[in-house]
This record gives sequence, C-alpha cells and structure tokens, in this order.
Amino acid sequence: NAGVTQTPKFQVLKTGQSMTLQCAQDMNHEYMSWYRQDPGMGLRLIHYSVGAGITDQGEVPNGYNVSRSTTEDFPLRLLSAAPSQTSVYFCASSYFGGGNEKLFFGSGTQLSVL
Amino acid sequence: GQQLNQSPQSMFIQEGEDVSMNCTSSSIFNTWLWYKQDPGEGPVLLIALYKAGELTSNGRLTAQFGITRKDSFLNISASIPSDVGIYFCAGQLRGIQGAQKLVFGQGTRLTINP
Repeated sequence: NAGVTQTPKFQVLKTGQSMTLQCAQDMNHEYMSWYRQDPGMGLRLIHYSVGAGITDQGEVPNGYNVSRSTTEDFPLRLLSAAPSQTSVYFCASSYFGGGNEKLFFGSGTQLSVL
Repeated sequence: GQQLNQSPQSMFIQEGEDVSMNCTSSSIFNTWLWYKQDPGEGPVLLIALYKAGELTSNGRLTAQFGITRKDSFLNISASIPSDVGIYFCAGQLRGIQGAQKLVFGQGTRLTINP
C-alpha cells in the first residue's frame, strides 16, 4: 500500500501566486488533515475533514482552503501565497470511529514563498 | 488555543545514556500520543496513552499519562544511534462530529554522540 501520498515534494512560489498541495490516501480513511511545521512551533493543524463534504478549521486556517469531494483526496489550496506560508506541510489520515485515532502522515511538502 | 509545552527543546547525549522528555499543558486531554520524526519524513506514532496514570512501554520506550491529564513524559533507555530525530508529544481534543484533533508540542531534537 502507498499509504498517504503528498505531491509535490518541493515547491517555490512568488508572493501572490496560487497553488494546490495534493494529498491522497489508499487506506479508506474517513479522517484527513493538513498540518504545517515551522521551526520551534511543532505541527499546527490547518484544516481537517471527517468525510466527503465535511471539513472544519484547525488552529491556523487563514490563507488556506480545503474541500473533500472523495474519500481518497484532500487537497490544500493557497489562493494568494504569502511569505508567512513558507513551511513544511504534512497531510495525515486515520480511521474515524469516534474513539482515539492514530494518524498516518505523508512525507511532507516543503513550500517556499518568495 | 491550546498550548503544549515540551521540554527540553534539544538534547545532546552519549550512546547508551537514558533520555527523558516531557509535555505539560494548561488543558486536559483525553489522549496523549508520542511521535518520532526522521529527517525528510512525516512523524510516526511511537506510543499512545488513553487513561490517566497509564504507563505504557514499547521496547526501550516508556511513556506515562499524567494523573491530572495535563502532562505526559517519554523515556528512552540505553539510547542507540537510530534514536536520533525529533520527538513530538500530542494531545487529543474533540472536534466536529466527535472527530479527534491533535495539538502538538514544539518537539525535542535528540542528537547522539557515538
């Protein structure tokens, strides 16, 4: 199994450009989420989804949009990139059964906004 | 938002030494998780703790869920070179439809001198 697949691995944007970070999982997980990792800050939750058509905001949602049209995919959109969005982005998924969850993480997307 | 304070931020030890790190919070969590992240990869779950006072081991790793539900520690015994990496604690909170959201600590970077 591929697990959680993120693309691209690296990306450089200019301020104001838009792009979509892709995330796909093949484990039939209901729960998917996006985190950003910054030095000294740990991982912070951006948005998450508990199933197709259902999303919610995390700790740092501003500047990011998400949608969940299928179980497998959970793309993260930056509509107008800013230097403050330079970070490493991780997608994660898990089963959602109302109990405790164990997240499977992708290998990350390193984004630089100039 | 909820904050997790993880310490120490970094550790430089000799191979064979024991390691101890901890997380504290002003909030109560219903689950504590410990992850390890290798360079260029996403975090991988090490130990999950579900009950206050619970002590759980995974090989050379031992973690405890604090009685107050506001803290947790992770110990690594007899460290080896492959223990190098960044260790994160995470606490779980409830989100929409009962989904669990994770709040991460800032991480502890472990370096081992052979």
